[in-house]
Amino acid sequence: DVKVTQSSRYLVKRTGEKVFLECVQDMDHENMFWYRQDPGLGLRLIYFSYDVKMKEKGDIPEGYSVSREKKERFSLILESASTNQTSMYLCASSPRQGNTEAFFGQGTRLTVV
Amino acid sequence: KNEVEQSPQNLTAQEGEFITINCSYSVGISALHWLQQHPGGGIVSLFMLSSGKKKHGRLIATINIQEKHSSLHITASHPRDSAVYICAVPETSGSRLTFGEGTQLTVNP
Repeated sequence: DVKVTQSSRYLVKRTGEKVFLECVQDMDHENMFWYRQDPGLGLRLIYFSYDVKMKEKGDIPEGYSVSREKKERFSLILESASTNQTSMYLCASSPRQGNTEAFFGQGTRLTVV
Repeated sequence: KNEVEQSPQNLTAQEGEFITINCSYSVGISALHWLQQHPGGGIVSLFMLSSGKKKHGRLIATINIQEKHSSLHITASHPRDSAVYICAVPETSGSRLTFGEGTQLTVNP
């Protein structure tokens, strides 16, 4: 059974903290994605990576960075968490070739207080 | 960038009803995805289709490439179908997806 696993389901952090969200996939996929999901706005792409150590900014990269040191792991980093980063964060992966099915993690609901 | 619109945003139905969710997009594509998100957050892929119709159990997805429109139908709806349904289309690179805002479906017993 293919899997994308996010390290936490729920997370509460304080304003100003550095926050790490981890995502691991076991399908040997080249592409990995980080999205945030907010009511009325749908899923928005923060960053994606198409290979180890490669990354591209998505639509809303401000306040975030990413790391992909190994093919199976893609980390999202909030350098200094703020209350407007309270959201649902979803990781996904897909094979290199386009127009293929994407696989999603279970989501991390992050609250910044 | 492709604009994706879903309707309705919210849908409440009685158990057993036939349900239709619509998705329109602005730029021609090669395939469209339908996704399901249950309370708790995880998203699963229901369909990826590029033409015609696909069926899985009580779920049917259709697409009209010329009209840039797709529909997701649920026959004999059940409370366990309650979820957010999201359509998504690939950007020109093929790897990135643009998502609709989702349709919140509630099926009452």
